[in-house]
Amino acid sequence: NSKVIQTPRYLVKGQGQKAKMRCIPEKGHPVVFWYQQNKNNEFKFLINFQNQEVLQQIDMTEKRFSAECPSNSPCSLEIQSSEAGDSALYLCASSRNSGNTLYFGEGSRLIVV
Amino acid sequence: GDSVTQTEGLVTLTEGLPVMLNCTYQTAYSTFLFWYVQHLNEAPKLLLKSSTDNKRTEHQGFHATLHKSSSSFHLQKSSAQLSDSALYYCALSDPGNTRKLIFGLGTTLQVQP
Repeated sequence: NSKVIQTPRYLVKGQGQKAKMRCIPEKGHPVVFWYQQNKNNEFKFLINFQNQEVLQQIDMTEKRFSAECPSNSPCSLEIQSSEAGDSALYLCASSRNSGNTLYFGEGSRLIVV
Repeated sequence: GDSVTQTEGLVTLTEGLPVMLNCTYQTAYSTFLFWYVQHLNEAPKLLLKSSTDNKRTEHQGFHATLHKSSSSFHLQKSSAQLSDSALYYCALSDPGNTRKLIFGLGTTLQVQP
């Protein structure tokens, strides 16, 4: 079983609604990643954090998403205004400071109707 | 830029036959290559990883050898099992300081009786 915990497993939102997903990284892993897995099973990197600081994010994330990884709280990824094309599985992963292996959660599946 | 190309789409095999999923990559730097496996409705999990040229890496019956001369990291198994049916991803560790993995498009392996 994955040690990266993602909630909720499923969420259904209308177009224009906010959609928020949370992730608790594996204990002792300060680096957190969000990927989008689309209907063709392709992985798209969205954003990552080291401790509370953003390491890198793509343009779409910067413009349409709100993400944070506060200390002592779950990380979160929120789409500010959902679009049909946002329907996907959102995967959170974490890694050790010195490591390069990503450990994934089971994902939050977003359906935008 | 850095990229990964792997056997695309669906690979269908009969149980007991050998498995070979191709992966080639492009990068100007020395870095890690990975194979992840994702079973239906589960988190992607690390299967193999390597950064050492010409060294065979094995896990759970699968093996791969990183060949830097041909930029390849093909996944092999001598005898497919029904339980091997899953999505397989080859990935490259971003040699920059972003810590992210760059994934191929994924290969669906379907093993039939």
